[in-house]
Amino acid sequence: DVQLLESGGGLVQPGGSLRLSCAVSGLTFNSYAMTWVRQAPGKGLEWVSAISGNGDSTYYADSVEGRFTISRDNSKVTLYLQMNGLRAEDTAIYYCAKVAPTGYYFDYWGQGTLVTVSS
Amino acid sequence: EIVLTQSPGTLSLSPGERGTLSCRASQSVSSNYLAWYQQKVGQAPRLLISDASTRATGIPDRFSGSGSGTDFTLTISRLEPEDLAVYYCQQYGNSPLTFGGGTKVEIK
Repeated sequence: DVQLLESGGGLVQPGGSLRLSCAVSGLTFNSYAMTWVRQAPGKGLEWVSAISGNGDSTYYADSVEGRFTISRDNSKVTLYLQMNGLRAEDTAIYYCAKVAPTGYYFDYWGQGTLVTVSS
Repeated sequence: EIVLTQSPGTLSLSPGERGTLSCRASQSVSSNYLAWYQQKVGQAPRLLISDASTRATGIPDRFSGSGSGTDFTLTISRLEPEDLAVYYCQQYGNSPLTFGGGTKVEIK
């Protein structure tokens, strides 16, 4: 079974930093692109960032470009999201998800980790 | 950026009824690269449909997708109580990736 388990969420002050992790099992991790999608409380889904299987290519939503950095450690089968300069509007559940082989849609999702940005 | 508009915002149906959910794009979605997800309360989204009409593994055949260009539809042929959820469309034909605002399906 494919499993994705996020961690690292929590309460952080505006301007602060946080690093999310997503541990993956049940698949050949380095064969697939991965992504982060977030959901503000009571709101819809927002794509945040994606990374290719070998980590050479990264992509960001305009709302996080320059503040967030996606990375992966294929030896540890783990995906990361380094979040700097956090704002109140970054408050959300952050999901990691596996990108499907045939297109940038998401066929497996983790259960999410909550990030709250507040003073 | 492609904006996806989903309608209706809420759909109330009785078990066994047919439901039609719409996803309209602000411009044509390249190669009909459109997916549908189901999200139940307190859960992560689950992939239902990709490429506008291809059901994902394990998805019941009462869920079907159709459409092309700017107009796409998710149909639930016979609503089951467990279909209570919010349904989102997502386009992956153009950068950036975007989601619709969701349609909430309620059980009467």
